[in-house]
Amino acid sequence: AQSVTQLGSHVSVSEGALVLLRCNYSSSVPPYLFWYVQYPNQGLQLLLKYTSAATLVKGINGFEAEFKKSETSFHLTKPSAHMSDAAEYFCAVSERGFKTIFGAGTRLFVKA
Amino acid sequence: EAGVTQFPSHSVIEKGQTVTLRCDPISGHDNLYWYRRVMGKEIKFLLHFVKESKQDESGMPNNRFLAERTGGTYSTLKVQPAELEDSGVYFCASSHENNEQFFGPGTRLTVL
Repeated sequence: AQSVTQLGSHVSVSEGALVLLRCNYSSSVPPYLFWYVQYPNQGLQLLLKYTSAATLVKGINGFEAEFKKSETSFHLTKPSAHMSDAAEYFCAVSERGFKTIFGAGTRLFVKA
Repeated sequence: EAGVTQFPSHSVIEKGQTVTLRCDPISGHDNLYWYRRVMGKEIKFLLHFVKESKQDESGMPNNRFLAERTGGTYSTLKVQPAELEDSGVYFCASSHENNEQFFGPGTRLTVL
């Protein structure tokens, strides 16, 4: 069975500071891993995905994530937070890209 | 190109009533998924259609939920009779093969 754990339901950073959102996964097969973002009153938008190619994955809006098999982690980072990054972020895992298992979400707050 | 659309955006019903949610996927996407987020918890998979066939319905909570996708285009998710614990946001997504899933804005269901 697959599962995802996101550490921290809320994260607050100052504008310009590093963003680090943590995600650990469990999967019995090589996983597909995703980060999605949800802005208020909108659907989920894919930020980036890992599908067994390069372990460092670059996404939209300056975000990136690194797949670390030994740590079963897929943490999301952005060097410098912007006010527009305030949203809820979801880490997710999938066996073959179909049924997707989501974490509980981390709400990111950005302080001016 | 139009994205995934869902109707209604909000629905408020009383316990015991019936509600039908609709999802229109992106044109040409054979894969359609339903997910649900209850009370700020994780987003949970409900089921996956490939065209008009149910590929995976392992996440359907009980037999009060009925999903259909006649003709392999739009899909409906009916809850009958609705219970209090069915309240939440119901997301639909579609994809071409096992590529990126595009999500709709969700239907917020409130059962009183």
